[in-house]
Amino acid sequence: EVQLVESGGGLVQPGGSLRLSCLVSGFTFSNYALHWVRQAPGKGLQYVAGISSGIGSKTYYADSVKGRFTISRDNPKSTLYLQMSSLRVDDTAVYYCVKQILRYFDYWGRGTLVTVSS
Amino acid sequence: DIQMTQSPSSLSASIGDRITITCRASQSISSDLNWYQQKPGKAPNLLLYATSTLQSGVPSRFSGSGSGTDFTLTISSLQPEDFATYYCQQSYYTPWTFGQGTKVEIK
Repeated sequence: EVQLVESGGGLVQPGGSLRLSCLVSGFTFSNYALHWVRQAPGKGLQYVAGISSGIGSKTYYADSVKGRFTISRDNPKSTLYLQMSSLRVDDTAVYYCVKQILRYFDYWGRGTLVTVSS
Repeated sequence: DIQMTQSPSSLSASIGDRITITCRASQSISSDLNWYQQKPGKAPNLLLYATSTLQSGVPSRFSGSGSGTDFTLTISSLQPEDFATYYCQQSYYTPWTFGQGTKVEIK
């Protein structure tokens, strides 16, 4: 059974940092591209970042997080990360870890809530 | 980034109705268009990919069409479990982007 389990969310002050993790099981982690998608309270889905599979993984970012967020992966640990810095109030959202196959997202985690507030 | 625009933003319909949701891309995305369904408090669930291919386990009352910039999701006969929010997503250009969503409510 494929599982993606996010952790690391919580309350952080504006300007602060937080690192999200996504522990994966049920498939060969290193073979698949992975992404982060977020959803602000009561709002729609917003693409955040992605990382390809293989050696020299390529990374992709939404303009709104470029330069502030860094996506990375640890293949031996089957874990995806999202390092978030210079957090703003409008980064408040549920962050989903998502698995890609071909050109779509086939599995999503349950999400972890990040709240940026003073 | 590619902008995806869905219409309508919300709609009210009855059980058994046929409904159509439209998604327009700001540039041509070939057939790289996916649809997701999301229910309150849950993660999104893939319905269709590559415009018209049904994900395994998705009922055949869901269908998709289009190419280039204009796409549609059709539910042929609305069922109680279909009341949810639907999102389109383009996967032609990185970063992949979503439409703003269409909420389908009970009339």
